[in-house]
Amino acid sequence: GDSVTQMEGPVTLSEEAFLTINCTYTATGYPSLFWYVQYPGEGLQLLLKATKADDKGSNKGFEATYRKETTSFHLEKGSVQVSDSAVYFCALSVQGNTPLVFGKGTRLSVIA
Amino acid sequence: KAGVTQTPRYLIKTRGQQVTLSCSPISGHRSVSWYQQTPGQGLQFLFEYFSETQRNKGNFPGRFSGRQFSNSRSEMNVSTLELGDSALYLCASSSERPSYGYTFGSGTRLTVV
Repeated sequence: GDSVTQMEGPVTLSEEAFLTINCTYTATGYPSLFWYVQYPGEGLQLLLKATKADDKGSNKGFEATYRKETTSFHLEKGSVQVSDSAVYFCALSVQGNTPLVFGKGTRLSVIA
Repeated sequence: KAGVTQTPRYLIKTRGQQVTLSCSPISGHRSVSWYQQTPGQGLQFLFEYFSETQRNKGNFPGRFSGRQFSNSRSEMNVSTLELGDSALYLCASSSERPSYGYTFGSGTRLTVV
C-alpha cells in the first residue's frame, strides 16, 4: 500500500541553522506530495505541495522538490527561526479520490 | 473566508458513553475527511464524505460512524467509548478531492475516562 517514511525526531537546531527533514514515499501510482505543519494546540496547515516529478513547492522560506527517481520529497529551509518550532508532516495522495497518507511527523525545536 | 470549524474543542466522556463531533467545512468545499491523531499511531484516516456519500473508509471498527448533510457539514459519532479512543479528532475539507490538498480544522480533543 501507499506509505510515507519521515526521519525520526526530535530535531533541535539553533536559530539561523539549515534545516533538512527527509521524506521518502511508496505509492502505487503518481502521487501528489505535501508538507503540513502543526503548531501546538492547533490543526495541520498546508505548508507546500508538488503534483508532478521535478516540481518544487515553496512557501515561507521552506522548499521541497519532488524526486521521482529517489521517491523523495525532502523539506529544506536555509535559516530557521524560533517561530518554526512545530511538528512537520509529509503526506501523499495518489491522483484521484484516495485520502492523504501521512508520515509519523518530525518535531522541530529551534533554540535562540 | 472562514476556515474549517470543529466543535466542541474539548470533550471529556466516560467509558461506554457515545459522542458526536461536528465539522463545518470551508464554504464551497464538498469533501470532508476525518482523522484520528494519537501520539502512538500518528494520523489515521477514519472516513471521507463527498456530496453526502461516504467515498472512502479507513480501518476503524463500526463504533465509528459519520455522515454529511446537504450543506456539506459533517458529523462523526463514536459509540460505546473506550479509553483508547482518547485522541485529537481532526476534520479536513477539500474542494473536490483529497489530492488537491486539505484544509484542517483545529480539532476536537476527546478524553475518555
